[in-house]
Amino acid sequence: QQQVKQSPQSLIVQKGGISIINCAYENTAFDYFPWYQQFPGKGPALLIAIRPDVSEKKEGRFTISFNKSAKQFSLHIMDSQPGDSATYFCAASVEAAGNKLTFGGGTRVLVKP
Amino acid sequence: GAVVSQHPSWVICKSGTSVKIECRSLDFQATTMFWYRQFPKQSLMLMATSNEGSKATYEQGVEKDKFLINHASLTLSTLTVTSAHPEDSSFYICSADRVDYYEQYFGPGTRLTVT
Repeated sequence: QQQVKQSPQSLIVQKGGISIINCAYENTAFDYFPWYQQFPGKGPALLIAIRPDVSEKKEGRFTISFNKSAKQFSLHIMDSQPGDSATYFCAASVEAAGNKLTFGGGTRVLVKP
Repeated sequence: GAVVSQHPSWVICKSGTSVKIECRSLDFQATTMFWYRQFPKQSLMLMATSNEGSKATYEQGVEKDKFLINHASLTLSTLTVTSAHPEDSSFYICSADRVDYYEQYFGPGTRLTVT
C-alpha cells in the first residue's frame, strides 16, 4: 500500500516557469513532510521540509504548501532553472516513531532553456 | 554541516562474494541510520533501520541474513551484502537521522554491480 502518492511522474517546464509537484498521504499520524532533490547517480538532498502546524513554508525559490484537512502537500519551484532538472521526492514520517520516511514515487523535472 | 559519506561509491563484484558498504556521518552523531535500495527510475525503498548498539530492524521482505547491518558507533553503519547475486545489483543509499534537528541526511549512494 503506497502511503504517499506523488504526481505527476514527470513534467517539463520552460526556464523561468513554475514547477508544481503534488503529494497526498493517507496516514494522519504523519507529522513531518520533507522534499528531496536527487540528481542522477547521487543521493537525495534535503530541499525543504514542513510540519503540520504551518500551511506554507518558503525557502528561496522553493515553497511548500500544506493542506492538513485534504492530506495533501505540494512543492512549488518558482523561476525554474535548467539546474533544477532533477528528480524530486516528497516524503512523510512520524517523528515519534523514529522518523522513518515513506517516500512518494518521485517526479522527474526537466527545465528547458 | 550534516554530511554523510559512503564508501565505496561504486563496486563490482562476482556472484557469490560479499560486499561491505560503509556509511559515516562526518560532522554529527547519528543514533539512527537507515539503508535504502533504489532501482533505476524508481523511488527509494527502505531496507532497514539501524540503531547504534542494537540489532537492525528490517522491512518486510528484506532478508536479514543476506543484508547484514552493523551500527558500530554513533557515526558509522555498515551494510554487508552476503553471497551477492546479479539481482542484488542496485543503488544503495544510507541516511543518518540528525536527531537534534529531526532531519534525515543522505549519503551519496553506492552503485553495486554483481557479475
